[in-house]
Amino acid sequence: GQQVMQIPQYQHVQEGEDFTTYCNSSTTLSNIQWYKQRPGGHPVFLIQLVKSGEVKKQKRLTFQFGEAKKNSSLHITATQTTDVGTYFCAAKNTGGFKTIFGAGTRLFVKA
Amino acid sequence: SAVISQKPSRDICQRGTSLTIQCQVDSQVTMMFWYRQQPGQSLTLIATANQGSEATYESGFVIDKFPISRPNLTFSTLTVSNMSPEDSSIYLCSVLQGVNTEAFFGQGTRLTVV
Repeated sequence: GQQVMQIPQYQHVQEGEDFTTYCNSSTTLSNIQWYKQRPGGHPVFLIQLVKSGEVKKQKRLTFQFGEAKKNSSLHITATQTTDVGTYFCAAKNTGGFKTIFGAGTRLFVKA
Repeated sequence: SAVISQKPSRDICQRGTSLTIQCQVDSQVTMMFWYRQQPGQSLTLIATANQGSEATYESGFVIDKFPISRPNLTFSTLTVSNMSPEDSSIYLCSVLQGVNTEAFFGQGTRLTVV
C-alpha cells in the first residue's frame, strides 16, 4: 500500500528560527496533504498539493511538491510558539479515499 | 466542512470489558473511517466504515476485536472488545466528503485500560 516517510521525527527550535519537515514516497503520488495536530488535539487539514513542482504559501508556511511528485516539504519561517505541534504529511491510496499518514514531525518552540 | 461529534472523549476501562465509541457527523458524508493513535505516534487506519455493510479492515485489525457499525451516512460506532492494556490509545473518527478531499476528524476518544 501507499507509504510516506517523514523526517525529522522531532525538532527543537528557538522562537524566530525556521523549521522544515520533509516527506518522501517511493512511488509517484497523486497528491499530498499536510495536517497539523496541536498537543491534545486532533489533526487539522492545512493544505493539499496536486501539481508537479507546486508551491503554496499560507502566511509563514510554505508547502512544496516535488517535480517527480514523490516528495514534499513544509517550511515555517520565523517560528512562533503557536506553531508548536505535530505536522503530518499524508497521501491517498490508489482509489483516493484512504488517507495514509506519515510518521509526523513534532515541533517544539522555545520562547 | 464537516463537524464531527465523537464520544466519549475519554474513558478508563477494566481489562476484559468492551467500549463503544460513537461518531456523529452534522451532514451526510461519503466515507467514514476509524484511526488509532498511540501516544507520540502517527495515525494508523483501523478500518473503513461502510454504510449498510461490513466494514473493511486494514491489515492487523479484525472484526471480532473492533466491530464497527454504520447504519446511515452520518453515524458510526467503533467497539473495542475484550480490552487489554495494549488497547490504551486515542481512537479517532474521520470523514471524507469525496475522493481525494481533506479528512475531517472528531476530537478523539482517549482510552485507558487498567
